[in-house]
Amino acid sequence: KNEVEQSPQNLTAQEGEFITINCSYSVGISALHWLQQHPGGGIVSLFMLSSGKKKHGRLIATINIQEKHSSLHITASHPRDSAVYICAVPPGGSQGNLIFGKGTKLSVKP
Amino acid sequence: SQTIHQWPATLVQPVGSPLSLECTVEGTSNPNLYWYRQAAGRGLQLLFYSIGIDQISSEVPQNLSASRPQDRQFILSSKKLLLSDSGFYLCAWSHSGYEQFFGPGTRLTVL
Repeated sequence: KNEVEQSPQNLTAQEGEFITINCSYSVGISALHWLQQHPGGGIVSLFMLSSGKKKHGRLIATINIQEKHSSLHITASHPRDSAVYICAVPPGGSQGNLIFGKGTKLSVKP
Repeated sequence: SQTIHQWPATLVQPVGSPLSLECTVEGTSNPNLYWYRQAAGRGLQLLFYSIGIDQISSEVPQNLSASRPQDRQFILSSKKLLLSDSGFYLCAWSHSGYEQFFGPGTRLTVL
């Protein structure tokens, strides 16, 4: 059974701080997803990555397949980054449905 | 460009009443379609996924069902709602091996 663990569960930061959210999973995967859920509930896909690093604006995602670990970094955090960040992986290496971590609730204070 | 629609946005239903939530996708063909639920204080849970018309896989036993009568239409239904069915329901689409795109969600409260 593939399990996805995220840490921390809750994170409060001051505007401008560098943020790191971690995700660990238990079995081999083909790709890992990072999602952002806004307070209203809407979910946006941030990254899908299978190796190395991806960058989009102030967001950086890294993955270490051997260590079964991924991190999401936010540089120069801003209050609008406040959201729940969710890590997800396909079970059993499949490319279809996903298993989700419980999410990390980030609150960035001005 | 592709868009995904869900309706209604919010719904309050009494226990024992039926349910029908609809999801449609525009701008793509043969998508994989998914229904997820997020119960209060819990993570997202896959309920159903579909790789084609009338091809539905159920991930968890429950009193919900799903149907895909058309390529880009995915419907979540129940004959009799339970209190435990309350939650935030999300529809998503993808092409196999690629990232998923989520709809705006339906917040269901069963009283």
